[in-house]
Amino acid sequence: SQQGEEDPQALSIQEGENATMNCSYKTSINNLQWYRQNSGRGLVHLILIRSNEREKHSGRLRVTLDTSKKSSSLLITASRAADTASYFCAHTGANSKLTFGKGITLSVRP
Amino acid sequence: GAGVSQTPSNKVTEKGKYVELRCDPISGHTALYWYRQSLGQGPEFLIYFQGTGAADDSGLPNDRFFAVRPEGSVSTLKIQRTERGDSAVYLCASRRGGRDTEAFFGQGTRLTVV
Repeated sequence: SQQGEEDPQALSIQEGENATMNCSYKTSINNLQWYRQNSGRGLVHLILIRSNEREKHSGRLRVTLDTSKKSSSLLITASRAADTASYFCAHTGANSKLTFGKGITLSVRP
Repeated sequence: GAGVSQTPSNKVTEKGKYVELRCDPISGHTALYWYRQSLGQGPEFLIYFQGTGAADDSGLPNDRFFAVRPEGSVSTLKIQRTERGDSAVYLCASRRGGRDTEAFFGQGTRLTVV
């Protein structure tokens, strides 16, 4: 079963705008990761944030983590049409199990 | 290898048949995960190996599903008496070992039970 929830479930924005996606989880975690998936096949790792970190950047990506609220957000700045994909958050528990949420479908209109 | 390899990429089987799905992880990765993903859903955890042993098999839906990793490298997911509800994309991922490492995914096997 999936223990994470992302919102919104779908997001449509214009190229150049920022996209913000949120994720919540229910258990204690070691880290939280964001993945991207095109065409329903392999997932690509985007960024990992550890439980003792609050914010992390990678290129146009910014991830925040609030362990007190059990939530994370992924911000993609200056979006491009090529960012169109499904995005998933996944958290790692104490036993190294990696659990995914249901995902967010992002559409970036050219 | 360069990445996680899954074979076959597509498999069509008749209801009631037995299937095996193979995963070749990245060399040296001790952790290996199997997931199942249905259309429009997130990856659903099935089983996780650390080395040769199944560290967590709590996601296997029933006793028709079984997975092995006898030498701590290649893993095989086995499904007996397949049902139409087993149709999904089966994803494999490997990790170097530590919890604070990223998981690398294969392209998946699309299983269709007719």
